[in-house]
Amino acid sequence: AQSVTQLGSHVSVSEGALVLLRCNYSSSVPPYLFWYVQYPNQGLQLLLKYTSAATLVKGINGFEAEFKKSETSFHLTKPSAHMSDAAEYFCAVSERRGATNKLIFGTGTLLAVQP
Amino acid sequence: GAGVSQSPSNKVTEKGKDVELRCDPISGHTALYWYRQSLGQGLEFLIYFQGNSAPDKSGLPSDRFSAERTGGSVSTLTIQRTQQEDSAVYLCASSRGTGTSGVETQYFGPGTRLLVL
Repeated sequence: AQSVTQLGSHVSVSEGALVLLRCNYSSSVPPYLFWYVQYPNQGLQLLLKYTSAATLVKGINGFEAEFKKSETSFHLTKPSAHMSDAAEYFCAVSERRGATNKLIFGTGTLLAVQP
Repeated sequence: GAGVSQSPSNKVTEKGKDVELRCDPISGHTALYWYRQSLGQGLEFLIYFQGNSAPDKSGLPSDRFSAERTGGSVSTLTIQRTQQEDSAVYLCASSRGTGTSGVETQYFGPGTRLLVL
């Protein structure tokens, strides 16, 4: 079975500082990995996804993530945090077994950005 | 439509009552998904539709939960005899549905916040 683990349910950074949100995956097949962001009282918005092309994936709003097979990781980074980045971030892996396309989500990381 | 829409946005009901939640996917998307987001369980998959059929219902937590999709578009999630533990945000997503490769982006609606008193 596939799964993702997000280390750190809460992360706080200062405005302008590096953002690093951690995600590790477990998968018996090459995974397809996603990062979604959820702003308060809204649905999920795709930031970026890894589908076995380039290992460094660039997404929206200046975010990027690097797929590292040796570390089974797909950490999300942004060089300089903005106040508008405060939200909850979810890492997900696409279930690739049988007739399904479901996403399996991590428990989420709530990012706070301090002025 | 421009995005996935869901209604109602909020629903308060009494324990034991039935509720219906509606999802309108993006026009042309043949795949539709329901997820549940709750404090205790995080984001959980409920059911997946391809067209009007549901090849994966593995996430429905009990037989009180059912879903249907008609005309390959709108979907309704029904919860019968609601319990307090059903309180959660119910999210709907859609994708193009061109295959089960798992690479498709799922586009999410804003959710329905259900509170069972």
